[in-house]
Amino acid sequence: EVQLEQSGAEVKKPGESLKIPCKGSGYRFTSHWIGWVRQMPGKGLEWMGIIFPGDSDTRYSPSFQGQVTISADKSITTAYLQWSSLKASDTAMYYCAVHDSSGYVAYWGQGTLVTVSS
Amino acid sequence: EIVLTQSPATLSLSPGERATLSCRASQSVSAYLGWYQQKPGQAPRLLIYDASYRATGIPARFSGSGSGTDFTLTISSLEPEDFAVYYCQQRSNWPGTFGQGTRLEIK
Repeated sequence: EVQLEQSGAEVKKPGESLKIPCKGSGYRFTSHWIGWVRQMPGKGLEWMGIIFPGDSDTRYSPSFQGQVTISADKSITTAYLQWSSLKASDTAMYYCAVHDSSGYVAYWGQGTLVTVSS
Repeated sequence: EIVLTQSPATLSLSPGERATLSCRASQSVSAYLGWYQQKPGQAPRLLIYDASYRATGIPARFSGSGSGTDFTLTISSLEPEDFAVYYCQQRSNWPGTFGQGTRLEIK
C-alpha cells in the first residue's frame, strides 16, 4: 500500500525558515515523480514543484520558482519542501503528492498545515 | 501557463439527480485532463484521468469526456457522498495547472 506520511502542523513567525518532510513507502520511491501542492485557506490547488528522486530532476511552477526549495533523500525515501524566509502569505495546507503511471496524482499525503503569523 | 476555467462555480442539486461539470482550457491539452474530488478536511482523490478513464476504485456513475479544450465530468445519479468540490487538472505541460474548482452542494 502506497503511503505518504507528512509531519504535523507548524506555527512559525515571518522571516523564519522551515523544512517539512514527506516520507514515501509502499512503492519504488526513485521511480515516481513526487511533488508539493499548496492549498491556501478556502482556495484551490496549486502545483508548487516536483522532483524525480531517481536523478533529482526538479521542476518548479513559475509562481514558486525561487520562493521554495524541493529536495529528496532517496536513502530514507523522503521528500522535502523548504522555505528560507517565511511570509504570512505562505499560510496554507501543503500536500505532498505522487504520480502513478497515469501521470496524475494518485497518492496524496494527509497535508501539513503551515501557519505564519507574528 | 495553461489556464483551466471550471463552470459553474457552485452547482446545487439533489441526490439522485445528474451532475454535469465543465472545464475549459486556454489552449489544447489534447486528452491530458484529469478530475479530482475533495471533501472538507481531506486530500483530493483522483477520479478520472486522460479525460475519460476512471481511476482505480471509482464508481461507474462517474464519467468523463472531451478533448482539446472542452471537458465534462458527469455524475449520473448523485449519492450523498458525492457532494464535494471537484477540480480539473491538465498534464499536457508543466506545471500541471488545476481549475479553480466547482462546489457541488445539496439543494
